[in-house]
Amino acid sequence: QSALTQPASVSGSPGQSITISCSGTTSDVGAYNYVSWYQQHPDKAPKLMIYDVTSRPSGVSHRFSGSKSGSTASLTISGLQTEDEADYYCSSYTTINTLVFGGGTKLTVL
Amino acid sequence: QVQLVQSGAEVKKSGASVKVSCKPSGYTFTTYGISWVRQAPGQGLEWMGWISTYNGNTYYAQSFQGRVFMTTDTPTSTVFMELRSLRSDDTAIYYCARDLGAFVISPDSWGQGTLVTVSS
Repeated sequence: QSALTQPASVSGSPGQSITISCSGTTSDVGAYNYVSWYQQHPDKAPKLMIYDVTSRPSGVSHRFSGSKSGSTASLTISGLQTEDEADYYCSSYTTINTLVFGGGTKLTVL
Repeated sequence: QVQLVQSGAEVKKSGASVKVSCKPSGYTFTTYGISWVRQAPGQGLEWMGWISTYNGNTYYAQSFQGRVFMTTDTPTSTVFMELRSLRSDDTAIYYCARDLGAFVISPDSWGQGTLVTVSS
């Protein structure tokens, strides 16, 4: 199972919006609505930000939103804040009962 | 609140095995599955496998088949991940994570991570 494809880096200024894409196949992202997004700050464990494509766990800011079209999922962060600077990973359940992650995207808030 | 506490750092020689424990609390143990994910230094997240705390069923990533073994001990509410035939490229932080349901592979709450260092 190949890793999902994410851009290596994205950047934005405080207050702006950014979108991170996560491209998969019909065997993972395109097969189910089981895409999640994780935020990871340096030397910290990942934190769930979005699950089931669009759902936000309790306590996660409404500035984070998810979507999916075909085999590509996206994470949008609106009203960028300096504390959003982190690595972001997407994941998807697959048709062979496994989980696959994206390669990760480094978000820089300029 | 939900917490997953993992065992401490390990240093192993190539060819040896390592067994990492994960003890969840704050919820009923058997109602959520547990995934194991590792992260090599400076690298991304890699899913290793999943275990049902309800019936012990497992799914492993193909790249770890035959080398990884996940078990659960319900009386102590503890999950274990054993990785055998260690190589230098197994040096990584190993995380356990509670999944969103009993039979769902979708991590939500994560442990603090266990650093495993493999030396030759």
